[in-house]
Amino acid sequence: EPEVTQTPSHQVTQMGQEVILRCVPISNHLYFYWYRQILGQKVEFLVSFYNNEISEKSEIFDDQFSVERPDGSNFTLKIRSTKLEDSAMYFCANGQGGSGANVLTFGAGSRLTVL
Amino acid sequence: LAKTTQPISMDSYEGQEVNITCSHNNIATNDYITWYQQFPSQGPRFIIQGYKTKVTNEVASLFIPADRKSSTLSLPRVSLSDTAVYYCLVGDMYSSASKIIFGSGTRLSIRP
Repeated sequence: EPEVTQTPSHQVTQMGQEVILRCVPISNHLYFYWYRQILGQKVEFLVSFYNNEISEKSEIFDDQFSVERPDGSNFTLKIRSTKLEDSAMYFCANGQGGSGANVLTFGAGSRLTVL
Repeated sequence: LAKTTQPISMDSYEGQEVNITCSHNNIATNDYITWYQQFPSQGPRFIIQGYKTKVTNEVASLFIPADRKSSTLSLPRVSLSDTAVYYCLVGDMYSSASKIIFGSGTRLSIRP
């Protein structure tokens, strides 16, 4: 079964530092998403990305965040100047679009701890 | 995306059939109903998707009445490992799928 791979699995950082979370998507799945989940809370949409552009973003996804496909395959989420409240699980998800538009494959997540 | 309403939590016992109902009164003609399962510290996992009547796969069944304003996820003979949060989502299956929003889900607890 195709997988979405995320690295690192866990990152601890100091407040104010920059963090880059990485995702290796499924080949030929052209829709990319980042979600976050604060401990004990629901899965929150951050941003969707298609055709090398942001499709939509939530109010959470402010100037502190950015997404890229640096090498045309991997997909990254950069968090600048991290804050304590950025501590959460960050999930990358991948979708085929078309008739599979609502069927997303999620990675195992990257746990970010900001101290 | 149509708003969905699910029970916050449910309890059941091993070997029982569990039915989780989701209300989506404002479902649109092109909307499909999709259910995900999430275990602690893992990403959500697709379970099943349907448009109308009944869909069954190796994991679950999905029952959708004719008016499509609700749907019921049915888990046959649950085990402890079915303890998870279950999310119901409604959206246009053929859209660009640019913003897929998860609600609060139903926290299912299975007891021995």
